[in-house]
Amino acid sequence: QQQVKQSPQSLIVQKGGISIINCAYENTAFDYFPWYQQFPGKGPALLIAIRPDVSEKKEGRFTISFNKSAKQFSLHIMDSQPGDSATYFCAASIHNAGNMLTFGGGTRLMVKP
Amino acid sequence: DTAVSQTPKYLVTQMGNDKSIKCEQNLGHDTMYWYKQDSKKFLKIMFSYNNKELIINETVPNRFSPKSPDKAHLNLHINSLELGDSAVYFCASSQVTGRSSGNTIYFGEGSWLTVV
Repeated sequence: QQQVKQSPQSLIVQKGGISIINCAYENTAFDYFPWYQQFPGKGPALLIAIRPDVSEKKEGRFTISFNKSAKQFSLHIMDSQPGDSATYFCAASIHNAGNMLTFGGGTRLMVKP
Repeated sequence: DTAVSQTPKYLVTQMGNDKSIKCEQNLGHDTMYWYKQDSKKFLKIMFSYNNKELIINETVPNRFSPKSPDKAHLNLHINSLELGDSAVYFCASSQVTGRSSGNTIYFGEGSWLTVV
């Protein structure tokens, strides 16, 4: 049973456009929702994260929108750049459960110049 | 000064062999993990150790045995390797104390295991 579902699997965006990646979760005990960015040949690295007590978090060009009632959250990348081309993973964890991350299936983003 | 380092980066071995992947973190974290990334890039937790004690063991075959000699090291030993074990294995660490510290998990660069 996949507890965190991510879509789309792949995304192509023109430079300067907005990239949007969506995730939905099932376990209402999740209390931490990070997004990780992975470049080819590298390990995932934390990009931005949110807790369910806020509906939006913005860091530079990256914004997480969180809808607790719908059990959904999304990543918006404004003014997408070719350097943003990577695989993005949403994830969720429960703080008192060993900080174990449950990942979505990943979205391969390509930003065309 | 890599925060989470794992060796080897690439490993090609035959079915039935036993191999180990080593991991070290210099972040002073109390929790370390092994994640497996399959050919479709799906990431899944395998083990979690907190202060050298196993706290999470997801459904992983007994052929996989993690060993933590101290809280800065978490090695992964795999016995009787099978073709299906081919994947990228990521070591990671985090500080799991207190909500305010956040739950950032830092990953190593991965170890590419190919079983032939």
